[in-house]
Amino acid sequence: EPEVTQTPSHQVTQMGQEVILRCVPISNHLYFYWYRQILGQKVEFLVSFYNNEISEKSEIFDDQFSVERPDGSNFTLKIRSTKLEDSAMYFCASKRLAQETQYFGPGTRLLVL
Amino acid sequence: AQTVTQSQPEMSVQEAETVTLSCTYDTSENNYYLFWYKQPPSRQMILVIRQEAYKQQNATENRFSVNFQKAAKSFSLKISDSQLGDTAMYFCAFLGETSGSRLTFGEGTQLTVNP
Repeated sequence: EPEVTQTPSHQVTQMGQEVILRCVPISNHLYFYWYRQILGQKVEFLVSFYNNEISEKSEIFDDQFSVERPDGSNFTLKIRSTKLEDSAMYFCASKRLAQETQYFGPGTRLLVL
Repeated sequence: AQTVTQSQPEMSVQEAETVTLSCTYDTSENNYYLFWYKQPPSRQMILVIRQEAYKQQNATENRFSVNFQKAAKSFSLKISDSQLGDTAMYFCAFLGETSGSRLTFGEGTQLTVNP
């Protein structure tokens, strides 16, 4: 069964550095999402992406964040200048057109030092 | 704005027994979807079961079933014949029909199945 995949599984970075988190959504899915979960807190929506543009973003998704679909398979989340509070598990998800169920990847654990 | 609450941070159950995980939500929408996701130690978040609010019949997937009480805004998950592989974090999530495509999650319940 197709799955959403994410790389890397873990990333450690220094505060102020740029990080790029990568996701490969399920191949026939057209909607893509990023969520994050700070340790001990709820999973929070960051952004949704459809037809090569952001369709919705949360208040968390400020100018430090950007998303891109650089080719036909990858979906990336970039954090330009990481802060300590960006330390979290980042989940990618995707879904098919006209369906409600989002399918999640295994997550990338980001630690900002 | 929608909120989802899971009031049980941790639960445990003996193998082969039945356990119920609670979830309540708050919304002003009439049409929406509710989900239970499971996140085992391997970290992959897996869909367990979903329920459409316009359907009165409770959803069932093998050993997993829900008790959906729309008026009470309650959406509990029942796991029958619990197995060791059911040990995981369980998240309840809400998707409103008019609130975009963002999922709103509860805090999660860590379920441990004991042998």
